[in-house]
Amino acid sequence: EDQVTQSPEALRLQEGESSSLNCSYTVSGLRGLFWYRQDPGKGPEFLFTLYSAGEEKEKERLKATLTKKESFLHITAPKPEDSATYLCAVRGGTYKYIFGTGTRLKVLA
Amino acid sequence: SAVISQKPSRDICQRGTSLTIQCQVDSQVTMMFWYRQQPGQSLTLIATANQGSEATYESGFVIDKFPISRPNLTFSTLTVSNMSPEDSSIYLCSVEDHHRRGETQYFGPGTRLLVL
Repeated sequence: EDQVTQSPEALRLQEGESSSLNCSYTVSGLRGLFWYRQDPGKGPEFLFTLYSAGEEKEKERLKATLTKKESFLHITAPKPEDSATYLCAVRGGTYKYIFGTGTRLKVLA
Repeated sequence: SAVISQKPSRDICQRGTSLTIQCQVDSQVTMMFWYRQQPGQSLTLIATANQGSEATYESGFVIDKFPISRPNLTFSTLTVSNMSPEDSSIYLCSVEDHHRRGETQYFGPGTRLLVL
């Protein structure tokens, strides 16, 4: 059964304190691993798609990496405006998108 | 990427009534999805809506409770019928965009529903 587990559930960082969010997955026939950012009361905002192990994508202070079992979202020198819930999802051979429960990130000024 | 809008953005409804949520996309898309996100939870897929065919519902969701229309390639509606407080959630419309390497899903801004 396809499965996604995100950790930690919540993370508090000081502004400028770099860290990483983890997304562990089990899927048959990975068609893509997706990262989204979601602000309270809003729809998820697309960040990255990763397709194969070893792939990396970057956008401003965010960098996503992928192995055969997990993905990391690295946040470098975060700012308060990076505070949000970060969701990970995978799509496998069933063609369904399976979402994790997210990591709630709070960056303190 | 597709630009998606939803109406209404939020509503407060009485139990036993129904609400229809509209989803409009700025480009033609084959697959549209409807999700529910209950407070503090992740996204749960309600159904997949393809133009010209009946929606495909996930386990635990039925057409009588969540009828879906998909009249064309840019529009869909989800109705939440005979509402109860347990239906209080954010309802999200999404579309799938195809590109060279695969597919990516984009979401609308959501409809926040509170049932009293």
